[in-house]
Amino acid sequence: DAGVTQSPTHLIKTRGQQVTLRCSPKSGHDTVSWYQQALGQGPQFIFQYYEEEERQRGNFPDRFSGHQFPNYSSELNVNALLLGDSALYLCASSWWGAAGELFFGEGSRLTVL
Amino acid sequence: GDSVTQMEGPVTLSEEAFLTINCTYTATGYPSLFWYVQYPGEGLQLLLKATKADDKGSNKGFEATYRKETTSFHLEKGSVQVSDSAVYFCALSDGGSQGNLIFGKGTKLSVKP
Repeated sequence: DAGVTQSPTHLIKTRGQQVTLRCSPKSGHDTVSWYQQALGQGPQFIFQYYEEEERQRGNFPDRFSGHQFPNYSSELNVNALLLGDSALYLCASSWWGAAGELFFGEGSRLTVL
Repeated sequence: GDSVTQMEGPVTLSEEAFLTINCTYTATGYPSLFWYVQYPGEGLQLLLKATKADDKGSNKGFEATYRKETTSFHLEKGSVQVSDSAVYFCALSDGGSQGNLIFGKGTKLSVKP
């Protein structure tokens, strides 16, 4: 049973560019959440998708957007990249209602130069 | 807003030593509390959880008790092993959310043989 898979694992962008990160949830899960983890910090909640709709959003600007597809996979898009967007982006999947019991992928490491 | 504070690391212990990692929280409601662990090169994994006051979560020899009176959820293990070396994150989920976790900064544990 494959767990949560994310791609790409590493990527380098320059300021002002746009990036798309992808996530496939664990088999059987219908809810995807995205987190940003800066170096030496705990993960910070970006947003959560269920039934192809954004259900909750953390304190992140509109430059951060997402999408969930009918097969429950998800994308995170970040526009107009800033140096401060450099971080590990984590995707987590769960069943809707399993509050807090998340299965995480290994993350996508984004470096903005 | 809700927050989690955990002891700063890194923590270095010898094998078979007793482990305590302190975690305190601030929340307006009645949160569920979690410990997640991140082993080197792997994604975050749920280690244990407690959903109400005086609940004790336990897994793999680790324990933590939800103490409402002291707003704490300290992680303990009686005898650590080298394989326990990892980063440990305390987190909370408020009663109204569906996967929105608030994490502490993490505590890195190194266990020496």
